[in-house]
Amino acid sequence: EAQVTQNPRYLITVTGKKLTVTCSQNMNHEYMSWYRQDPGLGLRQIYYSMNVEVTDKGDVPEGYKVSRKEKRNFPLILESPSPNQTSLYFCASRFSRQGRTGELFFGEGSRLTVL
Amino acid sequence: QKEVEQNSGPLSVPEGAIASLNCTYSDRGSQSFFWYRQYSGKSPELIMFIYSNGDKEDGRFTAQLNKASQYVSLLIRDSQPSDSATYLCAVKGAGGFKTIFGAGTRLFVKA
Repeated sequence: EAQVTQNPRYLITVTGKKLTVTCSQNMNHEYMSWYRQDPGLGLRQIYYSMNVEVTDKGDVPEGYKVSRKEKRNFPLILESPSPNQTSLYFCASRFSRQGRTGELFFGEGSRLTVL
Repeated sequence: QKEVEQNSGPLSVPEGAIASLNCTYSDRGSQSFFWYRQYSGKSPELIMFIYSNGDKEDGRFTAQLNKASQYVSLLIRDSQPSDSATYLCAVKGAGGFKTIFGAGTRLFVKA
């Protein structure tokens, strides 16, 4: 089954404790991206990657890191989480080649609470 | 000015009516336009995409694009209670690097 898998789905942590949210896709997509969703603000892009070893900042990158060492994986790293990073996080992927629709496929979301 | 703007709603329509959702965007170079539906607590799922000016129909859904006015809309005919969700307008820019989302419009369809 074609899917984007995120883990963990739910996490409660404390300020300053490093955490990683994993994302994996099995659709051979070149493009992967992380979004956070907050009430009234919609989906805001954190980082994206056009392909392996190619990453770039989205609109709200502060406090986050990413890496893209393999095509299928795109982990999101919070080195020192703070309460303002409490949010619902979505990983998404799509093809980036010409001729594709550009549809994003989303993971199920990871709800993070930082105390 | 936000890059992609939507009326947050909620928009309430009776069952069987037409629901009209609107979206404006700021980047004139935008190439691709999408409507995603998101049920509460779930991830967004694509329902329509459109690239060219005009209308595109798929079942009960019609997407409309006017690039001159930088305006995208979604019409849902014969609205059903199961259509009650948040509808996200998304725009892929000219470079193809980013997909920017609006904040979404909450739709309620009353039985």
